[in-house]
Amino acid sequence: KQEVTQIPAALSVPEGENLVLNCSFTDSAIYNLQWFRQDPGKGLTSLLLIQSSQREQTSGRLNASLDKSSGRSTLYIAASQPGDSATYLCAPGRPGTASKLTFGTGTRLQVTL
Amino acid sequence: DAGITQSPRHKVTETGTPVTLRCHQTENHRYMYWYRQDPGHGLRLIHYSYGVKDTDKGEVSDGYSVSRSKTEDFLLTLESATSSQTSVYFCAISLRDVTYEQYFGPGTRLTVT
Repeated sequence: KQEVTQIPAALSVPEGENLVLNCSFTDSAIYNLQWFRQDPGKGLTSLLLIQSSQREQTSGRLNASLDKSSGRSTLYIAASQPGDSATYLCAPGRPGTASKLTFGTGTRLQVTL
Repeated sequence: DAGITQSPRHKVTETGTPVTLRCHQTENHRYMYWYRQDPGHGLRLIHYSYGVKDTDKGEVSDGYSVSRSKTEDFLLTLESATSSQTSVYFCAISLRDVTYEQYFGPGTRLTVT
């Protein structure tokens, strides 16, 4: 059974800092991995998807890397802004029908002025 | 915007009553999913569908059933609601069948008293 751990559980940084969120998973036989953000009381917003054959994906100030063999992914946020404050979730997808996702419990990020 | 709506958005019900939650999509995507989100557990997959009348169980399917009679609608039924089913329920769709990138609806907050 896939287990997903996200460290740290919570993080507070001043505006402008670059930061790294970590995700580890126990079963390296994944099809893909998705990063999401969730604002309080809201649904999930997809940020980046990395296929198992890829090493990284970039979107704006976000960069996600994947090391499948070691069961790790990182989300790098450059020049953080108060609007980045949210909970960030990683979810590796299983091979097979529908690529079912297993979620970590997330990293709660606060970016202060 | 992946065109996903969920209804109702909030519901309070009594123990032992049946409850049906609806997920509706406007863009004819093949894969649909139901998750629940609870503090300390993250999101967990309940059931998913890979086509009309094609469904399968997820990680926490006990006490839940689903139906998909049309491509656009995926229904989740709690046959006899219990307090342990108090949760936030999210529907998701897979936007692209090859990458299986998932997009989420706004959620339904269900309270069972």
